[in-house]
Amino acid sequence: DAGVIQSPRHEVTEMGQEVTLRCKPISGHDYLFWYRQTMMRGLELLIYFNNNVPIDDSGMPEDRFSAKMPNASFSTLKIQPSEPRDSAVYFCASSRTGANSPLHFGNGTRLTVT
Amino acid sequence: AQSVTQLDSHVSVSEGTPVLLRCNYSSSYSPSLFWYVQHPNKGLQLLLKYTSAATLVKGINGFEAEFKKSETSFHLTKPSAHMSDAAEYFCVVSEWSSASKIIFGSGTRLSIRP
Repeated sequence: DAGVIQSPRHEVTEMGQEVTLRCKPISGHDYLFWYRQTMMRGLELLIYFNNNVPIDDSGMPEDRFSAKMPNASFSTLKIQPSEPRDSAVYFCASSRTGANSPLHFGNGTRLTVT
Repeated sequence: AQSVTQLDSHVSVSEGTPVLLRCNYSSSYSPSLFWYVQHPNKGLQLLLKYTSAATLVKGINGFEAEFKKSETSFHLTKPSAHMSDAAEYFCVVSEWSSASKIIFGSGTRLSIRP
């Protein structure tokens, strides 16, 4: 079991540029979550999918953020245009059945927007 | 509404002494409770999970937690701290009914003194 795989591990970009973060969940997991972690706000749920369908995107900060899950083994989080306040660590997590089962986290993508 | 409160933002103990990380929760339903650990530059890793079976839950690396419904607590303990336990610890409460009702505590940073 390779675990949840995120890429890239680090991303440095200039304000206004498009950023795409990628995630491969654990095979057989029906739920996929995107979180953002900052010192000020801690862990924030951005969006989650069930069987590739977005269920709750109320945590997405604004229209500059979008997420897709075209199939069960791949998801992307896109920021366009990026801003310095988007700098954070972005985590992807997957779980087998939702709230009652543990989340398996990737190692995160550290995004720096200058 | 459910919530989780980690009572200490930072705990420091000497190597070989007991560890106590405190967590209180509120939930309208029978919750699932989790403890996760996050080492620097890593994703969160599950330590242990409570889902209405035994009230004393044993986890990895010698950690355990006791579910006390009357006190609405789920404190994490370890009899003897090791240097490798230095990390951030998160208490999490979730309701079975909704995957979006997964609430993370603000975290407790555990430091170990030699």
